[in-house]
Amino acid sequence: EDKVVQSPLSLVVHEGDTVTLNCSYEVTNFRSLLWYKQEKKAPTFLFMLTSSGIEKKSGRLSSILDKKELFSILNITATQTGDSAVYLCAVIGQAGTALIFGKGTTLSVSS
Amino acid sequence: GAGVSQSPSNKVTEKGKDVELRCDPISGHTALYWYRQSLGQGLEFLIYFQGNSAPDKSGLPSDRFSAERTGGSVSTLTIQRTQQEDSAVYLCASSLQGRSYNSPLHFGNGTRLTVT
Repeated sequence: EDKVVQSPLSLVVHEGDTVTLNCSYEVTNFRSLLWYKQEKKAPTFLFMLTSSGIEKKSGRLSSILDKKELFSILNITATQTGDSAVYLCAVIGQAGTALIFGKGTTLSVSS
Repeated sequence: GAGVSQSPSNKVTEKGKDVELRCDPISGHTALYWYRQSLGQGLEFLIYFQGNSAPDKSGLPSDRFSAERTGGSVSTLTIQRTQQEDSAVYLCASSLQGRSYNSPLHFGNGTRLTVT
């Protein structure tokens, strides 16, 4: 059965800290891994990763995929209170199937 | 519109009643998904529509749940004889599915369903 496991489930840090969120997966015919940020309502898209070892970066956020070890990490440097959210990892497997989500990591950044 | 639109944003219903939730995807997006998110849980896949293909209904939790997508655009998720455990946020998402099927999903703000 395809699955996505995220860790930790929750994390509390101080402003300015750097955090690393983990996502491991088991999926048939892996195609892509995606990261989303969910604050109050709709998850918003952060990154899509398809190739190993190529870092995607957007401001203070970056992510990388390891297709051999079947995991991805999401890094956030110099965290701000606005980074507080649930971070969701999801994978696309076999063509024509739906995105499979992990349970998410709840990040709380205190000032 | 610019994004995925869902209505209503909130719905309170009595146990045993039927409800209909609506999703209007981004224009031109051929793939449409329904997910359910219970308090403190991840997104649970319900149903997936891709173009004119038969939908993937493998995530529907019971036969009280059904969905249709008319004209390849608007979708309606129907829950019959609602139960309290159906209370959750129902999220709709669409994507521009090209040949690679590597398109990110764009989510609506969801419908918060409360069954009393």
